[in-house]
Amino acid sequence: AQSVTQLGSHVSVSEGALVLLRCNYSSSVPPYLFWYVQYPNQGLQLLLKYTSAATLVKGINGFEAEFKKSETSFHLTKPSAHMSDAAEYFCAVSPQSGGSYIPTFGRGTSLIVHP
Amino acid sequence: ETGVTQSPTHLIKTRGQQVTLRCSSQSGHNTVSWYQQALGQGPQFIFQYYREEENGRGNFPPRFSGLQFPNYSSELNVNALELDDSALYLCASSNRDRGNTEAFFGQGTRLTVV
Repeated sequence: AQSVTQLGSHVSVSEGALVLLRCNYSSSVPPYLFWYVQYPNQGLQLLLKYTSAATLVKGINGFEAEFKKSETSFHLTKPSAHMSDAAEYFCAVSPQSGGSYIPTFGRGTSLIVHP
Repeated sequence: ETGVTQSPTHLIKTRGQQVTLRCSSQSGHNTVSWYQQALGQGPQFIFQYYREEENGRGNFPPRFSGLQFPNYSSELNVNALELDDSALYLCASSNRDRGNTEAFFGQGTRLTVV
């Protein structure tokens, strides 16, 4: 069984401020972890993924996330928020084994960026 | 390389009707997954098709059914529509044979049941 919990349904930051979106996972087997972004009326776009290589993962648009097994966390960060970062962000977990890639998604965190 | 395309983009149906949603997978992909995303929620896994066979199913009733065709495109069929079926339906494709851990999503079909 696997699940993710995204802490905070909404996160509000000022433009230029640090972005921190929290994700904790639960998985009975070693996981793959993902962050996706969704803009209004759009599908999901992959920001970054952890697949058991480096624990610090760099993604697109200046985002990065660190896999911390001891804390079962995979928080998403960006040093400086931009207005264009305003969107819905989803953390997802998938088992590494089994061949099938079927991610389980969190409920999402809406990032609001103030000028 | 073409991306994942879904049709139609928007649809309005009446309760009790049936609906078919379509998805063309990305070139080179053989696996298609369908998700339901209710307003304000994360995507919920409906089922996955791999090489024309159902390869996993989420907690959805049998009135949600699907098909995958030899060209790996896919359909999602929903019978006896209910008001709660109103949602964004997302299709994602990947290549299981390459151990591809990344799924590429289409823009979705917005279904409204009235």
